[in-house]
Amino acid sequence: GENVEQHPSTLSVQEGDSAVIKCTYSDSASNYFPWYKQELGKGPQLIIDIRSNVGEKKDQRIAVTLNKTAKHFSLHITETQPEDSAVYFCAASRYSSASKIIFGSGTRLSIRP
Amino acid sequence: SAVISQKPSRDICQRGTSLTIQCQVDSQVTMMFWYRQQPGQSLTLIATANQGSEATYESGFVIDKFPISRPNLTFSTLTVSNMSPEDSSIYLCSVGAPGDTQYFGPGTRLTVL
Repeated sequence: GENVEQHPSTLSVQEGDSAVIKCTYSDSASNYFPWYKQELGKGPQLIIDIRSNVGEKKDQRIAVTLNKTAKHFSLHITETQPEDSAVYFCAASRYSSASKIIFGSGTRLSIRP
Repeated sequence: SAVISQKPSRDICQRGTSLTIQCQVDSQVTMMFWYRQQPGQSLTLIATANQGSEATYESGFVIDKFPISRPNLTFSTLTVSNMSPEDSSIYLCSVGAPGDTQYFGPGTRLTVL
């Protein structure tokens, strides 16, 4: 079945530096890739998403890139701030059904002051 | 995006008992889902809550253990039955629509003693 692998599992960066989280997916029919941020004690919050007809999408300090051929997608956070500390999940699904979103294993991002 | 609330936000229960978790949305939504997030882990889909019909369960989850109701387009319940310590998790509901993304509630943190 569909599988999403996420790396690294933990990431510590200096405040102001960039953070990159990478994911790969197995189902070539996947065409929708959301990213969620989960802060301690809260539910996952959608921060950005990308569809397969787009190679890159940016929203202020956050960007996502997609390589359909290699089945890779990545989250880039620039100018990191303490409030970026959280667990980040990548996910993949077939957009037309909006069901069975398959999540990666998560990355715990820590921002060092 | 929809505003999603869950009750209770947390609970501590004795083994062998059952707990019913409620999910309320501030607008009518087509699809509602229930997820489990074990400590330090990713999200696993339990079932899709279908309005007016039986829920659709994922492999490894059964109706006798996790009965689900969906009486209308804004409300659903998940019951965790005959609980054991292995059921200690965060239970999350999410909502979505065909061709749209999923948004998550704040979660219910369950501890079974």
